[in-house]
Amino acid sequence: NAGVMQNPRHLVRRRGQEARLRCSPMKGHSHVYWYRQLPEEGLKFMVYLQKENIIDESGMPKERFSAEFPKEGPSILRIQQVVRGDSAAYFCASSPGTGADTEAFFGQGTRLTVV
Amino acid sequence: DAKTTQPPSMDCAEGRAANLPCNHSTISGNEYVYWYRQIHSQGPQYIIHGLKNNETNEMASLIITEDRKSSTLILPHATLRDTAVYYCIVRVAFGGGSNYKLTFGKGTLLTVNP
Repeated sequence: NAGVMQNPRHLVRRRGQEARLRCSPMKGHSHVYWYRQLPEEGLKFMVYLQKENIIDESGMPKERFSAEFPKEGPSILRIQQVVRGDSAAYFCASSPGTGADTEAFFGQGTRLTVV
Repeated sequence: DAKTTQPPSMDCAEGRAANLPCNHSTISGNEYVYWYRQIHSQGPQYIIHGLKNNETNEMASLIITEDRKSSTLILPHATLRDTAVYYCIVRVAFGGGSNYKLTFGKGTLLTVNP
C-alpha cells in the first residue's frame, strides 16, 4: 500500500476551522475510496469517487463534509467547521477498476485531531 | 449484502501456522472473498482474495470451502509482526452496476505470542 500517498499524516485543527485531506492514488488508478476510523472503532466507508465524479457518498455526513477527485491532482476530503467528534483517522484507498476481482490499496492515513 | 462472521480474537505461537476462519453463508456466486489486515494505527493492508479456488501468495493462503459458505486464511509461519486485526470481506456490488466497495466488519484480532 506504499503507493497510495496521503498527506498530511497528522493534522491538528481548532474547532470551527477547515480540514483538507489529500489522497494521491497509485499510478494508473482512477478510483478512490475514503474511509473514517474513529478511535477504537472499525473502518467506515464514506465516499467513492472516480475522476470528476462522485459515485457513492452514502457514508458521508450530510453537512460539513465534501469530497472531490478532479481530472488532475489528488482527491480531496474537505471538512468544514470541524468539531471534536471529527477527530479520527481518515484513510483513502485506490483501485484501477471496479470489478469484484480488483484489489484496492490503502494509504497510511491522515490523523485529524480537533482541539 | 453478504455478511461475514469472524471470531473477535485469536492467539497463535510464533513460528506456528495461524488459521483464521470466516463464515459468509449468504455469499452470492459472483462475489469474491477478500482479506485485509490492519496493524496498529496503520492503513489496511491487502493480503489475498479468491472466488472459489484456493489461492496462495507470498503472504498467505486462502482456503474456500466447496459450498463457498466459509473460508480460512492461513499464515503459514506467524511472526510477531503479524499481530494485527484481520478482516474478511465479501466484496459486494452496489448501485445495480459493476461498482464494488469494501465493507469492513470488526475483524479478528490475531495476537502472535513469542
